[in-house]
Amino acid sequence: ETGVTQTPRHLVMGMTNKKSLKCEQHLGHNAMYWYKQSAKKPLELMFVYNFKEQTENNSVPSRFSPECPNSSHLFLHLHTLQPEDSALYLCASSQDPGLAGFTGEQFFGPGTRLTVL
Amino acid sequence: GQSLEQPSEVTAVEGAIVQINCTYQTSGFYGLSWYQQHDGGAPTFLSYNALDGLEETGRFSSFLSRSDSYGYLLLQELQMKDSASYFCAVGVAGLNAGNMLTFGGGTRLMVKP
Repeated sequence: ETGVTQTPRHLVMGMTNKKSLKCEQHLGHNAMYWYKQSAKKPLELMFVYNFKEQTENNSVPSRFSPECPNSSHLFLHLHTLQPEDSALYLCASSQDPGLAGFTGEQFFGPGTRLTVL
Repeated sequence: GQSLEQPSEVTAVEGAIVQINCTYQTSGFYGLSWYQQHDGGAPTFLSYNALDGLEETGRFSSFLSRSDSYGYLLLQELQMKDSASYFCAVGVAGLNAGNMLTFGGGTRLMVKP
């Protein structure tokens, strides 16, 4: 595997289900991100992890719970979601700017298309 | 907070030149990035400007004016495969926050024969 991978690619869940999205990066990066992309809306940054530590939570509802066990893996645990949470969830990674300087470059996975019924 | 403005749609013909503008309001500004996203695909990085001026990469160029809080992406010799959404994104300062970016709403470019 190369780059950033995400599983599953598609997910349909009911409002009472619990599911998890997985992201893995094979680039040796230290920072990982979760974004939400809804139709006709900008990419919304949800969470940032740098060296496994959460450094940003962009006022995300608690029904979204991130987990970063190491610098290569990132999870997004979902529970009691609402239909308005249906969207494309994108994971991205980047090098830490402390090592390489701020480059403005993030590497994105293909996303998980989530539908909440 | 941060806000970015870019046109929602642009249409051009094959072989033409198109410019996609982006204005921003932000604090702790590091630089301006551009990303391309085809339908059903992931955003892919195109360019990054930290300093004023024009950066050229093949058919694509990106410009930044920090004093005007303005930048643009210039696409030359348009090809059908350039039909995609283009996002500007500002890099913002954040303690231990990696390459943190705030994205604009995206410009959908349609290239016609």
